[in-house]
Amino acid sequence: DQQVKQNSPSLSVQEGRISILNCDYTNSMFDYFLWYKKYPAEGPTFLISISSIKDKNEDGRFTVFLNKSAKHLSLHIVPSQPGDSAVYFCAASARTSGTYKYIFGTGTRLKVLA
Amino acid sequence: GAGVSQSPRYKVTKRGQDVALRCDPISGHVSLYWYRQALGQGPEFLTYFNYEAQQDKSGLPNDRFSAERPEGSISTLTIQRTEQRDSAMYRCASSLAEGRGELFFGEGSRLTVL
Repeated sequence: DQQVKQNSPSLSVQEGRISILNCDYTNSMFDYFLWYKKYPAEGPTFLISISSIKDKNEDGRFTVFLNKSAKHLSLHIVPSQPGDSAVYFCAASARTSGTYKYIFGTGTRLKVLA
Repeated sequence: GAGVSQSPRYKVTKRGQDVALRCDPISGHVSLYWYRQALGQGPEFLTYFNYEAQQDKSGLPNDRFSAERPEGSISTLTIQRTEQRDSAMYRCASSLAEGRGELFFGEGSRLTVL
């Protein structure tokens, strides 16, 4: 049962354009969402998070949008740079349920073309 | 140390042997997580600790898997009577406090069971 889904395994974007990575979830108890970035041979690194009380959070070139009714979140990267090429994972937790485990999606490989 | 340290980085073992994977979290980090990641997949939650207390072990696949963090710092994930399906990258992560979504991942321990 995949509670967090990233349906696009890969995405290619031209340098300078917007990258949009999508994530869907099924558990309505999820109330905290995160995006991680992973380069080859390294562990995932935290990018940005959003709580369910918000619908948008911005940090520099990275913006995460949350649509609770659709159980959907997206990560926008503007402008995209070649160094953004990596695998991106979304993750979610249901903190009000008393556990802080984070469930990860399967990842989307972003390639930014120079 | 500066980051999360895992050992061994690579472990090859024969089916039926026991293995122990070690994680040394960032100093002062309260929460410690274990994840398993198969090729092309996202990290799969196994278990997590706050200090020495195991808070959630719902992701451990069966009773051959166990984890401990006896002094609230270093943790060991033990897999008894290994099977080929246990082959994966095992990742440890730590966070400053429970509920802080920014997990700092180690480089992982790649386990191969022959």
